[in-house]
Amino acid sequence: AQSVTQLDSQVPVFEEAPVELRCNYSSSVSVYLFWYVQYPNQGLQLLLKYLSGSTLVKGINGFEAEFNKSQTSFHLRKPSVHISDTAEYFCAVRLNNNDMRFGAGTRLTVKP
Amino acid sequence: GAGVSQSPSNKVTEKGKDVELRCDPISGHTALYWYRQSLGQGLEFLIYFQGNSAPDKSGLPSDRFSAERTGGSVSTLTIQRTQQEDSAVYLCAPAEAGGSYEQYFGPGTRLTVT
Repeated sequence: AQSVTQLDSQVPVFEEAPVELRCNYSSSVSVYLFWYVQYPNQGLQLLLKYLSGSTLVKGINGFEAEFNKSQTSFHLRKPSVHISDTAEYFCAVRLNNNDMRFGAGTRLTVKP
Repeated sequence: GAGVSQSPSNKVTEKGKDVELRCDPISGHTALYWYRQSLGQGLEFLIYFQGNSAPDKSGLPSDRFSAERTGGSVSTLTIQRTQQEDSAVYLCAPAEAGGSYEQYFGPGTRLTVT
C-alpha cells in the first residue's frame, strides 16, 4: 500500500517570507506527483505536477516543487508568499494506474 | 474547475433517506473520480471510472454507496439510507486518462445529514 504524508497540518507565515510545505510518499513503484490548492470556498485546482524529466517543477503563482526519489519527497516551495496564497494545499500521488491518493492537506496562512 | 458542474451544490437530508449527487464533466475526459472531503480532512477516494472498463469501487465505504456513469459522461453517486457520518463535501474530478493525468475538480456537493 502506498500513502501520502503531509508533515504539517498548519503553516503560518508572514507575508514576503519563504515557505516550504512538505510532502512524503511511500511507494516502491514509479509515481506521478501533484500539488493542488484549494482557496477558501473554492474547488481544488492544480498547482503543478511531476510526471518525468527534470525533478524541479515550476507551477502557477510562483510555486515550485522538487521531486526527490531517494527521500521519496515532493516538497512545495515559494520564495516569497503573498496574502492571497492563504489556502489549503494538497499533495497527491498517482501510481502507474488509476490509484490516486491525497494527503490530509496543509493549511497555509499568510499574515501581514 | 472549468466545465465541471455538480448538483446540487448543497443538500440537507434526514438520516435514513437516500440521496443522489450528480456530476456533469467536461466532454472528452474518459476518466472520472469521485472523492469525499470531510471537515478538516483530506480527500478520500471513492470510485473511479475509465471508459467502458469496470469501475474501481475499492474506495466506497459501504454497500450503501453506489455510482454509475452513463454514456461516458454524466455520473451519479447514490447514497442509500444516509447516516450522519456521510456528511461531507463530495467532489467529482474528470481526468485525462493518459498524458498529464491531471484532474479537474468540480465545485462539490456539500451533504449534511441531520
